[in-house]
Amino acid sequence: QSVLTQPPSASGTPGQRVTISCSGSSSNIGSNTVNWYQQLPGTAPKLLIYSNYQRPSGVPDRFSGSKSGTSASLAISGLQSEDEADYYCSAWDDSLNGWVFGGGTKLTVL
Amino acid sequence: QVQLQESGPGLVKPSGTLSLTCAVFGGSISSRTWWSWVRQPPEKGLEWIGEINHSGRTNYNPSLKSRVTISVDKSKNRFSVKLSSVTAADTAVYYCARIPTFTIEVSSSWFDPWGQGTLVTVSS
Repeated sequence: QSVLTQPPSASGTPGQRVTISCSGSSSNIGSNTVNWYQQLPGTAPKLLIYSNYQRPSGVPDRFSGSKSGTSASLAISGLQSEDEADYYCSAWDDSLNGWVFGGGTKLTVL
Repeated sequence: QVQLQESGPGLVKPSGTLSLTCAVFGGSISSRTWWSWVRQPPEKGLEWIGEINHSGRTNYNPSLKSRVTISVDKSKNRFSVKLSSVTAADTAVYYCARIPTFTIEVSSSWFDPWGQGTLVTVSS
C-alpha cells in the first residue's frame, strides 16, 4: 500500500490528452513539492517533472505538472506511442522524514 | 554530467547481508548533495531505502531502518548500502540516485540522475 495514491492504469489514443492523478496528505504533497518520474519498459526511472511543474532540459513541453492542496496531476498532451511507460509521483513526507512514492500508473497508448 | 553505476552480488542467501556500491562519475561525492538508494521488487513500484549527504548525515525508510546502513567512501567517490537479515521479500532491482541540494533542502529536491539498476535475488 503506497503512501501516495495513483490509478494503476491509464490509456489514450495518439494525439489525445491524458492526465494521471496523485493523491497524498498534508504531511507530503500538502507541504512539499511533487516530482514525477517516467519509467520506460526495462529501464531505470527518469526525472520527468520536478518542483510540481518544472521540466528538466530535454523533456518535451507536452508533459506538464500541477499541484493543488494534497493532490497533484501529470498531463500528457499530443500522446505518442513512445509515451507508453510507467509513471510515478513522489514527494518528501514530513511525518516519515523520508521520500514516498505513488504505486505507479501504467500508461497504454492504444 | 553526473552518472551513477551500481555494482554488487546478484544473489544473496536468506538471512545474509546484501551489499551494493554506487560509483559516481562526472562529479564529486563530496559535493553539497544527497545520495540515495531506491528499490523496485519485480513487477512492483518504487520504494525509497535511504539517503546520505556529503557530511555523512543519513535518513532511512522507517520500515527498513533496523536493517539498513548507507555509507560514503570519499576516497573512491562512491557510496554503499548494506541490508541485513534479507528474505525473499528483499528481491528487487536496486537503484542509486542523486538528490541535488546545492541551494535547497533535501525535502524540496528530487532524484536525478539514476543509475541503471542492479537486480538482487535472495535465494538459497
